[in-house]
Amino acid sequence: RKEVEQDPGPFNVPEGATVAFNCTYSNSASQSFFWYRQDCRKEPKLLMSVYSSGNEDGRFTAQLNRASQYISLLIRDSKLSDSATYLCVVNVPNQGGKLIFGQGTELSVKP
Amino acid sequence: NAGVTQTPKFRILKIGQSMTLQCTQDMNHNYMYWYRQDPGMGLKLIYYSVGAGITDKGEVPNGYNVSRSTTEDFPLRLELAAPSQTSVYFCASSYSTWREVIDTQYFGPGTRLTVL
Repeated sequence: RKEVEQDPGPFNVPEGATVAFNCTYSNSASQSFFWYRQDCRKEPKLLMSVYSSGNEDGRFTAQLNRASQYISLLIRDSKLSDSATYLCVVNVPNQGGKLIFGQGTELSVKP
Repeated sequence: NAGVTQTPKFRILKIGQSMTLQCTQDMNHNYMYWYRQDPGMGLKLIYYSVGAGITDKGEVPNGYNVSRSTTEDFPLRLELAAPSQTSVYFCASSYSTWREVIDTQYFGPGTRLTVL
């Protein structure tokens, strides 16, 4: 089993659609979870951290299910500018700042 | 704050040449990292450092060397460039303890390297 596994994508959706990305992680001791966004040929940038109680930032909602070792990202009212690759990121327990990056799920929002 | 800066942005090397990719951060982060990303693939950790004077191998260290003489700088050295090292190289930094991530990783803009 991969340490971090994401939906393979790509996701092609119309503007205004709601889209959800899923991610599973293998190490139950992981404590820190993030979603990053990567635009084509650019560096990954932090989109949002994922908290145990779930959290929302505008049109973006992140959820964590520790029992199922599952993280999700929901994007509502998709914009053209949301087109990017979304990376699920999980820490390596007891190895300080080491993070495991998922392969990414590509999102393309069409007019 | 400039964040994480990398130089050069682009470079073409011939097989067997050497070069150093520079990385500097001004956020006083203790951890620094080097990743490579091949086209259509995920990030692979090459080396990382938990503080000045301390470095450790990541997933794909062969063909590379690093040093960390200061908190701010973490250069990556390619000694004998090979076509398999054609990739985009990202440097990142973060603030963490060994137990937990205090602040997540912030990335530089990347260096696009081609070895011919």
